[in-house]
Order: sequence, then structure tokens, then C-alpha cells
Amino acid sequence: AQSVTQLDSHVSVSEGTPVLLRCNYSSSYSPSLFWYVQHPNKGLQLLLKYTSAATLVKGINGFEAEFKKSETSFHLTKPSAHMSDAAEYFCVVGLGGDYKLSFGAGTTVTVRA
Amino acid sequence: SAVISQKPSRDICQRGTSLTIQCQVDSQVTMMFWYRQQPGQSLTLIATANQGSEATYESGFVIDKFPISRPNLTFSTLTVSNMSPEDSSIYLCSALGGQGRTDTQYFGPGTRLTVL
Repeated sequence: AQSVTQLDSHVSVSEGTPVLLRCNYSSSYSPSLFWYVQHPNKGLQLLLKYTSAATLVKGINGFEAEFKKSETSFHLTKPSAHMSDAAEYFCVVGLGGDYKLSFGAGTTVTVRA
Repeated sequence: SAVISQKPSRDICQRGTSLTIQCQVDSQVTMMFWYRQQPGQSLTLIATANQGSEATYESGFVIDKFPISRPNLTFSTLTVSNMSPEDSSIYLCSALGGQGRTDTQYFGPGTRLTVL
């Protein structure tokens, strides 16, 4: 069965420093992987997705993620954190042809001034 | 991307009552889904809303508790029946596709439900 594990429940960074959110996946075949962001009291927004094209995926707001099959990882990074990046981030795996999604537990990002 | 709206945005209900949540998409989409996000938790898929047929429910969710309708390609409803405080959650609908995008799910803003 496909699943994702987010390795950090909470990440705290200073504004202007890099952000790293870690995600490992488990899949019996080449997965579709996504990162979504949820700002307080707002809906989910797609940051980026991997669907077996380029392994380095660029998303919105300066985020990018690298698919590493050998490590079964799909970590999300941003070179320089902004205060507006404070939110909940979900790593998500597609469950196959029926397009269902399985969400990780989420990582809460706080950004210190 | 598809733009998705939900009504109501939030509600406070008494136990034993039912609430119907509406989900409207601005374009025809191939698939629609309903999720639950319990307080402080991640999202859990409730069911796939099938157009013109009965919804497909995930393990732990049943039609009597969460009846779903999808009368056309842009609209779906989820009813939370005979509510208890444990049903207090955010309920989100999502849509797959829209404007030719068949591999990305877009989410509505959610309905925040509190059951007293």
C-alpha cells in the first residue's frame, strides 16, 4: 500500500534561512507525490507535484522538491524562509488509478523574525 | 486550476441533528472527493463522489452516516447525519481535473463543523 511519512511534526526556522521538510514514501510502483500547504483558517493549496517526469520539481513561492527513488524520499526545500511561509505542510501520495490521495501527518512550520 | 466553493463555511450544530455541506466547482471535473480533518490531524478520505451512482466509501465510513450525492459534473453534497461531538471536524471537498488537468486535486476551503 502507498503511504508517506513526514519525519518532522514541527520545524522552526529564522526568516531568511533555508527550510527543509522531510518526507519518505512507501509505494510498490512509481508514485505520484505532492506537497500541499494549509495556512491557518484557509484551504489547501498545491505547492508542487511529481509525476515521473523531472526528479527536481519546482513549485510556487520558491519551493522545490527532489524525488530520490534510492532513498524513497521527496523532501521539500526553500532557500530562504519568509514569514508568510508559516503554515501546515502535507506530503501526499497518490494511490493509483483511482486518484485517491493519502496524506502524511503534516509538518507545522513556524518562522521566527 | 479549478475553483471550488463550499457552503456553509462553518456551522455549530446540536447532537442528533444532520448537516448538509455543498461543494460547487467552477468547471466540469472527472472526479470529486470528500475528506475529513479532525482537530489537529491530517486529512482522511471519506469517499469518492460518483456522478450518477452511489459514492464509494473508504474503510470506517458508511453511507448511513455520510450520505453523498453528485447529481452532475460540478456539484456534490455531503451530509453528516445524527451528529455527535466526535463529528466536529473540518470537511473538505476536492475535485480532480477541470480545464484539462487530470492529475491534480484541488481543494475547497472547507466547512468547519462544531457539534455540541
